[in-house]
Amino acid sequence: EVQLVESGGGLVKPGGSLRLSCAASGFTFSSYSMHWVRQAPGKGLEWVASISHTGRDFYYADSVKGRLTISRDNAKNSLFLQMNSLRAEDTAVYYCAREEIGLEYWGQGTLVTVSS
Amino acid sequence: EIVMTQSPATLSMSPGERATLSCRASQSVSYNLAWYQQKPGQAPRLLIYGASTRATGIPARFSGSGSGTEFTLTISSLQSEDFAVYYCQQYNNGPPMYTFGQGSKLEIK
Repeated sequence: EVQLVESGGGLVKPGGSLRLSCAASGFTFSSYSMHWVRQAPGKGLEWVASISHTGRDFYYADSVKGRLTISRDNAKNSLFLQMNSLRAEDTAVYYCAREEIGLEYWGQGTLVTVSS
Repeated sequence: EIVMTQSPATLSMSPGERATLSCRASQSVSYNLAWYQQKPGQAPRLLIYGASTRATGIPARFSGSGSGTEFTLTISSLQSEDFAVYYCQQYNNGPPMYTFGQGSKLEIK
């Protein structure tokens, strides 16, 4: 069974940093591109970033470019999102998702709250 | 940047009725279009990819159509569990950018 479990969310002050993790199991992690998608409270879905299966290629939404960094460790079946210079508008539930055609598997999300 | 626009924002319908949701892309995305369903407190669920192919385990009452810039999700006979928010998403290549529409809420009338 495919499982994606996010962790690392919490309360952080504006300008602070946080590192999210996504633990994958039930499939060959190194064979799939992975994504982060976020959802602000009461709002719609926003694609954040993606990384190729090798980790060599990555892409970001303009709203997070230069502040958020996606990475992966295929040996540990893990996906990461390093979040720096956080702003109030980064407050959201952050989901990791596996790409096949479309995003077929999602974790349950981890909440990041940016507030003083 | 490709902008995805969904309509209507809210659709009020009764169980058993046929629902039609629309999604428009600001430029052609060919058939690179997916639909997701999201219920409160849950992660999104992939319904349709490639504009018209149902994902694994998705009931046949869900169907997708369209190409280029105009897409439609149709639910042929609404069940109680279908009332949720629906999102379209384009997955253009070169470089890969996955843009979501703003969502359409399907509510019980």
